[in-house]
Amino acid sequence: GAVVSQHPSRVICKSGTSVKIECRSLDFQATTMFWYRQFPKKSLMLMATSNEGSKATYEQGVEKDKFLINHASLTLSTLTVTSAHPEDSSFYICSAPLVGGNEQFFGPGTRLTVL
Amino acid sequence: AQKITQTQPGMFVQEKEAVTLDCTYDTSDPSYGLFWYKQPSSGEMIFLIYQGSYDQQNATEGRYSLNFQKARKSANLVISASQLGDSAMYFCAMRERTGTASKLTFGTGTRLQVTL
Repeated sequence: GAVVSQHPSRVICKSGTSVKIECRSLDFQATTMFWYRQFPKKSLMLMATSNEGSKATYEQGVEKDKFLINHASLTLSTLTVTSAHPEDSSFYICSAPLVGGNEQFFGPGTRLTVL
Repeated sequence: AQKITQTQPGMFVQEKEAVTLDCTYDTSDPSYGLFWYKQPSSGEMIFLIYQGSYDQQNATEGRYSLNFQKARKSANLVISASQLGDSAMYFCAMRERTGTASKLTFGTGTRLQVTL
């Protein structure tokens, strides 16, 4: 089946630094990718829709200047958490839908810990 | 209002028994899709099964089947012959065609524990 990768899988950083997370579709093209955030023992909450060649669409309550999204190519979307603070610590997961199909493939996730 | 409701925060099932995980949904879109995902402790989201709103038959994938009752807006997941490896969080999700294509809304999840 289709594969989506994420890098890094785990990152620990100091408060105030910026962290970039990459999401790649390995064997299919993804004009759209989605970024989710998951707190411990909670559900996935959609943060934004990443669109290749245009601006990302953010969900209500998500700061676009805080969470920068760039969909650089048909196989790569990046999420940059700017000036990270401890409350940004979370599990971030990306997904990409298969065009013309029903499935949506998820990356393995990135666990961010901000000290 | 909740679009996807999973009322069972946790469930226990004995190995080799069947278990049903509940999911109800709310939408006014006539075209929608329902998904079930498994999330083990590693965090990855594993796709299990899909049901389209216009599908006449209930979806099945190996030991997984989806009990789709459209009038009741329910899409319960049935796992037959449970295995220890089935212990995980299970999320029901819905995709609506309005707004952003393929955007999924998730329920709060059910933690399944398979016991010996």
